[in-house]
Amino acid sequence: GESVGLHLPTLSVQEGDNSIINCAYSNSASDYFIWYKQESGKGPQFIIDIRSNMDKRQGQRVTVLLNKTVKHLSLQIAATQPGDSAVYFCAETYAGGTSYGKLTFGQGTILTVHP
Amino acid sequence: DTAVSQTPKYLVTQMGNDKSIKCEQNLGHDTMYWYKQDSKKFLKIMFSYNNKELIINETVPNRFSPKSPDKAHLNLHINSLELGDSAVYFCASSQDKGLAGAQETQYFGPGTRLLVL
Repeated sequence: GESVGLHLPTLSVQEGDNSIINCAYSNSASDYFIWYKQESGKGPQFIIDIRSNMDKRQGQRVTVLLNKTVKHLSLQIAATQPGDSAVYFCAETYAGGTSYGKLTFGQGTILTVHP
Repeated sequence: DTAVSQTPKYLVTQMGNDKSIKCEQNLGHDTMYWYKQDSKKFLKIMFSYNNKELIINETVPNRFSPKSPDKAHLNLHINSLELGDSAVYFCASSQDKGLAGAQETQYFGPGTRLLVL
């Protein structure tokens, strides 16, 4: 299930299920998007990225979908494993002006995978 | 070998003290960043340097001063520490500063957990 408010959104799944983590971004000028995974006590780790001229990109067990019309990004994880349990962040940036390189991170979603 | 390393991993100090956090990257990247992650896990950029030149400086109190002695190092010095400075500070690096059509992935260090008492 999901909960919002003072706490991060959470997603609990069973091992082997597919997971979908959603992200709404704010800047319609953003042209590059990244998903990061942060395990407890560690720094964010790059998972997959997508540029605004694409609407889908696949990696190993992960797929990112981009819907620019509604400014929505999603991360799909196939056959979720306990090792996928972490906080997942989306991040956006755009190449205009002096903002190049400045990543704006989303709120984060806690994914818990039960064996 | 650790690509982006930070020291110390933990830092507990009293209010009013001055402290530094060090960051080194061995990836040969040109750009380095400092981020602050608060207790709600919200990550926000503070500074970035490209080849020792400051290129991003967000609205951060001037008690925070980044220093880049060379492009492989970006240190963060904090004066007169306050309770609200307690957070996890992450250093990151990327190959370039993200020019049009060439946005570069940022690689993060393990973080420095700062607790101000």
